[in-house]
Amino acid sequence: KAGVTQTPRYLIKTRGQQVTLSCSPISGHRSVSWYQQTPGQGLQFLFEYFSETQRNKGNFPGRFSGRQFSNSRSEMNVSTLELGDSALYLCASSLSFGTQPYNEQFFGPGTRLTVL
Amino acid sequence: DAKTTQPPSMDCAEGRAANLPCNHSTISGNEYVYWYRQIHSQGPQYIIHGLKNNETNEMASLIITEDRKSSTLILPHATLRDTAVYYCIVHLTGGKFQFGAGTQVVVTP
Repeated sequence: KAGVTQTPRYLIKTRGQQVTLSCSPISGHRSVSWYQQTPGQGLQFLFEYFSETQRNKGNFPGRFSGRQFSNSRSEMNVSTLELGDSALYLCASSLSFGTQPYNEQFFGPGTRLTVL
Repeated sequence: DAKTTQPPSMDCAEGRAANLPCNHSTISGNEYVYWYRQIHSQGPQYIIHGLKNNETNEMASLIITEDRKSSTLILPHATLRDTAVYYCIVHLTGGKFQFGAGTQVVVTP
């Protein structure tokens, strides 16, 4: 079974631009979460989607947004990029949401975003 | 979600058991303890999780104290490939996964 895929793997943008990252979950998984990882702040939760609805949200400004499609694929968007948005953006999928024991999250390789 | 406290780093000799402690003294009765690890430049990998009872799988064992205020992840026979950052997370079903700083484990030959 294929794992979580994220595209693109690497991205370079300049300040003020916007960016869209894509995540395809493991087949059959319906929940997708997004995380930002930086050396200074570590791994921080952005948001989680299930059945095309945002179920949880982290403490990030409104410039960070996401959505989930009917096939469970998800995208996240960052508008008006800042230098501090340079990070590894990780996507994780899980089988379901709000039920045990299906909460294990399977992570993709991440998208490395560099903002110049 | 309850906070966790882990030592920032620990070393382990190859072939020996690695015992990784985690303190979660404010855990509530319906919060699970999860362990993940992250090998450099890769996405985190799920290891194991539990609620009250000790758990074992092909990767590790999880020992949760009776009062649930702390737990220990045991890697029975550490290999060089187990060098990674290990995260202990307390998670409420339906809630967010909040990763802390984790423990950097270095397995040495």
